Amino acid sequence: QKEVEQDPGPLSVPEGAIVSLNCTYSNSAFQYFMWYRQYSRKGPELLMYTYSSGNKEDGRFTAQVDKSSKYISLFIRDSQPSDSATYLCAMSATYTGANSKLTFGKGITLSVRP
Amino acid sequence: NAGVMQNPRHLVRRRGQEARLRCSPMKGHSHVYWYRQLPEEGLKFMVYLQKENIIDESGMPKERFSAEFPKEGPSILRIQQVVRGDSAAYFCASSPSRQAGGLNTEAFFGQGTRLTVV
Repeated sequence: QKEVEQDPGPLSVPEGAIVSLNCTYSNSAFQYFMWYRQYSRKGPELLMYTYSSGNKEDGRFTAQVDKSSKYISLFIRDSQPSDSATYLCAMSATYTGANSKLTFGKGITLSVRP
Repeated sequence: NAGVMQNPRHLVRRRGQEARLRCSPMKGHSHVYWYRQLPEEGLKFMVYLQKENIIDESGMPKERFSAEFPKEGPSILRIQQVVRGDSAAYFCASSPSRQAGGLNTEAFFGQGTRLTVV
């Protein structure tokens, strides 16, 4: 079993839809949970970052972490064509320094149709 | 403030040649990470470096791969005697030193170097 599993894609939705992206993980040591967005031929950029369980909202984006189920989600409200990209979940274990190495899911490609 | 700079953006090497990938972290960042992204795969951690020190190289292949982050200049990921299986996108990320009591784990990624081995 991989440490981080991400729902397979691709995913295509109409503009304005609510998008739900999910990852599960097996390593109980993961404490920090992130969602990155990666446009084609570009580097990943951090979208959301949460520590431990709970919700975090930033504009149209909401990140949820359920450590008891080892399950994280990213919700995108009122999706826009500009949201079309690959979304990667990433996690790291107990804080050991300025940063910890990240373990990524495989990513899911989202396409928002105008 | 320039972001993480990687060069070259694209690199083509014949089998058996050496590939050198460079990464200049963001200004003020002293921590560098290298990741590899194979086709249809997520990013895989390779190595974590601070100036003149390798902190964690648990993701580095045992042979042909090496990394350094000298006191002056960019971080270098070197792949000797490249093979077709080395073809991938290589991403560098950097982060600042931890603030006292802070929880900053954000790493900023560069645009990547796409290595093609022919």
